[in-house]
Amino acid sequence: DAGVTQSPTHLIKTRGQQVTLRCSPKSGHDTVSWYQQALGQGPQFIFQYYEEEERQRGNFPDRFSGHQFPNYSSELNVNALLLGDSALYLCASSGRRGLLRPSPLHFGNGTRLTVT
Amino acid sequence: SQQGEEDPQALSIQEGENATMNCSYKTSINNLQWYRQNSGRGLVHLILIRSNEREKHSGRLRVTLDTSKKSSSLLITASRAADTASYFCATGPPTPTAGKSTFGDGTTLTVKP
Repeated sequence: DAGVTQSPTHLIKTRGQQVTLRCSPKSGHDTVSWYQQALGQGPQFIFQYYEEEERQRGNFPDRFSGHQFPNYSSELNVNALLLGDSALYLCASSGRRGLLRPSPLHFGNGTRLTVT
Repeated sequence: SQQGEEDPQALSIQEGENATMNCSYKTSINNLQWYRQNSGRGLVHLILIRSNEREKHSGRLRVTLDTSKKSSSLLITASRAADTASYFCATGPPTPTAGKSTFGDGTTLTVKP
C-alpha cells in the first residue's frame, strides 16, 4: 500500500522563476493538503483540494496555486519565486470519499526547495 | 498565527526517562493530533484525540486533553534514542474535507543513549 509520494525531493531555483511540485496521495485518500515548513518552524497550511477544487486556503499570496487531478494527485505551483519561499513543502492526504469523522493526515517526505 | 503552541521548545533527556510535551491552543477544537518528524522528513501521525475524550494510549505514548484549559500533553515513557525527533500538535477539522489542521512550532526532543 503506497503512502504519499512527492517529487522531486530536492529543487534549486533562481529568484523570479516558477516551480511545480507534485504529490500522489495515499491509496484510498481523496483529499490533499499542502503545507510549507520553514526551518525550525511548524508546517503552515497553504491550501486543500477535494473533488478537484480548492476548498480552503491559508494566508499565502496568489503566487501559490494548485491543481487536483481526477486520480486525486495534486500539483503545487509557485510563480515569481522569492528567497523567502525556500522551505520544505509537504503534501498530506486524508480521508476517503464521504468519511464523516476525523482522520489524521498522512504526509509525504516533502520537497526541499531552495531559492537562490 | 499558530493555533497550537508546544512547550518546551526543546527537551533533552537520558534514555529510559520519560518525556512530557505540552500543547496549548486558543479556540474550540473538534480533535487534536500529535505528530513526530524526524530531521528533514515528513510528519508521522501518532495519536488523534477527540474533544470528548480525556486520555488516550498507544504503546509507550499517552495523550491527555483538557478542553477547559485548552491544553494537551504527550507523554513518552521509557524513552529510547530512536525517539529523538520533533513533536508537533495540531488542531484538526471535524472531517477530512472540512478544512485544515493547524500546527504549532513543535518540541525538539533529544534522547541521549
